[in-house]
Amino acid sequence: NAGVTQTPKFQVLKTGQSMTLQCAQDMNHEYMSWYRQDPGMGLRLIHYSVGAGITDQGEVPNGYNVSRSTTEDFPLRLLSAAPSQTSVYFCASRAGVGTGELFFGEGSRLTVL
Amino acid sequence: AQSVTQLDSQVPVFEEAPVELRCNYSSSVSVYLFWYVQYPNQGLQLLLKYLSGSTLVKGINGFEAEFNKSQTSFHLRKPSVHISDTAEYFCAVSERGPGRRALTFGSGTRLQVQP
Repeated sequence: NAGVTQTPKFQVLKTGQSMTLQCAQDMNHEYMSWYRQDPGMGLRLIHYSVGAGITDQGEVPNGYNVSRSTTEDFPLRLLSAAPSQTSVYFCASRAGVGTGELFFGEGSRLTVL
Repeated sequence: AQSVTQLDSQVPVFEEAPVELRCNYSSSVSVYLFWYVQYPNQGLQLLLKYLSGSTLVKGINGFEAEFNKSQTSFHLRKPSVHISDTAEYFCAVSERGPGRRALTFGSGTRLQVQP
């Protein structure tokens, strides 16, 4: 069972560089989301999607873009990385309704120098 | 808007002792409540959830939580902890009703079980 797969697991960027964090799920989940985890702050929602072609902003969307062209994939793009984006990023998915369990990937640790 | 407060950032406890991790939430509407656990260098896993019905909810690994609507709390408990319970625990809330179903997390409580 693959579940939610994130790549890469580790990445180091220089300020101003761009990159994409990949997220794929094989559970046919409608809902997908990206969180960032910072010490003492828990997980904060960046962007989410309730289905292919539909995305919306979460609590901390600035500096990040997303798209949802297929049910399976939900990439997160950093267009111009900043040191404040140094964090651990988690992708999570669930079936459509809000009562369901969120399934998390193993995380992507990003360092911006 | 909903919010979650986890009152303790770290909880040290000896093996086989009981533990309670505290969680309070704020919301203008009815909510669903969750506890997740994160082991080192891993993603989060669901421990238990409260949707409706009995206010005492049992989860995996011997954990349970009690929903208290009047105190807007959802504290997590275990009667006897093991070394393997060492992890970070997150309380989360989601509002009921149509539309947006985003999950809001607390800042986490690090449970340190000592031999």
